[in-house]
Amino acid sequence: KAGVTQTPRYLIKTRGQQVTLSCSPISGHRSVSWYQQTPGQGLQFLFEYFSETQRNKGNFPGRFSGRQFSNSRSEMNVSTLELGDSALYLCASSKGTSGVYNEQFFGPGTRLTVL
Amino acid sequence: SQKIEQNSEALNIQEGKTATLTCNYTNYSPAYLQWYRQDPGRGPVFLLLIRENEKEKRKERLKVTFDTTLKQSLFHITASQPADSATYLCALLMDTGRRALTFGSGTRLQVQP
Repeated sequence: KAGVTQTPRYLIKTRGQQVTLSCSPISGHRSVSWYQQTPGQGLQFLFEYFSETQRNKGNFPGRFSGRQFSNSRSEMNVSTLELGDSALYLCASSKGTSGVYNEQFFGPGTRLTVL
Repeated sequence: SQKIEQNSEALNIQEGKTATLTCNYTNYSPAYLQWYRQDPGRGPVFLLLIRENEKEKRKERLKVTFDTTLKQSLFHITASQPADSATYLCALLMDTGRRALTFGSGTRLQVQP
């Protein structure tokens, strides 16, 4: 069974631009969560989606948004990029309806660099 | 404010010894606690989950304890191997409407051959 895939793996953008990251969960997983990882703040929860609905959102500004499609694939978007948005963005999927209550299967991440 | 603390200093041990990593939390009453392993440049990998009503969980060479009175979880790797060298993260989940995992900053483990 294929793992969680994320595209692209690396991305370089400039301040003010916007970016869209994609995540394909493990087949059969309907819950997808997004995290931001930086050396200073560690792993921080962005949001969780289940059956195309956002179930919870972390403490990030409205520039960070996401969505989930009917096939459970998810995208996250960051608008008006800032230097501080440079990070590893991780997507995780989980089985069943309990989402983050279950083990999370993480993808390899997208490394975003904002210049 | 809510806080999770893991030893930020790297833990260096000799191969064959038991590694013990600590996760302390304040102002939480977590329902679940999870441990993950992360290698450089890769996403975390789930290791163990323990619930608030469980004292201990084991999986092969791994053992996790959860003391809700001390607000502490201990993660043990017995008969450690150089391949166990990685960063280990604890993550807590509150059993409230907020369905979000909160991660500690992680402890880097280095097992010397």
